[in-house]
Amino acid sequence: LAKTTQPISMDSYEGQEVNITCSHNNIATNDYITWYQQFPSQGPRFIIQGYKTKVTNEVASLFIPADRKSSTLSLPRVSLSDTAVYYCLVGDVGIGFQKLVFGTGTRLLVSP
Amino acid sequence: DSGVTQTPKHLITATGQRVTLRCSPRSGDLSVYWYQQSLDQGLQFLIQYYNGEERAKGNILERFSAQQFPDLHSELNLSSLELGDSALYFCASSVDLAAQETQYFGPGTRLLVL
Repeated sequence: LAKTTQPISMDSYEGQEVNITCSHNNIATNDYITWYQQFPSQGPRFIIQGYKTKVTNEVASLFIPADRKSSTLSLPRVSLSDTAVYYCLVGDVGIGFQKLVFGTGTRLLVSP
Repeated sequence: DSGVTQTPKHLITATGQRVTLRCSPRSGDLSVYWYQQSLDQGLQFLIQYYNGEERAKGNILERFSAQQFPDLHSELNLSSLELGDSALYFCASSVDLAAQETQYFGPGTRLLVL
């Protein structure tokens, strides 16, 4: 069961790059790393997912070192609308007992 | 709009009561997940169903149960409600079984137990 640890909160300014790191020391071979964004009173929304190395999409990049014990979500040039809670999810729901574990979440506040 | 619908949006009830929350997954998604989000516990995975069968269980209390019907909609039943059950309950769906499948979350049901 891969438990994750993230910073509780981060502050940034518009236009800056923000990097949020998630620790998952007990990650299993079959586990993927997924990041979600959540605005108040809304359901989480998928941002990006990866297994190893680097993944990039139109909104973010995900860096995963070779040992996969951590991952870093990188948000380029954040705006006020990026103020949200960001969750790191590690898991592989196979047949049966494995649990999906959300991290504690990182509350990002972007200021003008 | 994720394509996942949940009803009701809000629910206020009393301790000891029983409620049912409903979720309709995105068209074509076979897997449904239920989550509970309270202020002090964060987002907690409760249970997952795939094509009508239970596939994974998380921190779900014995007073809670769920099922997925042949049309793939799912219901979460909460009984003998306690004040601490007040929370946002989210449903999510994905195409397939595994966690690498993107989960699409519904808007949630806000439950208040008085």
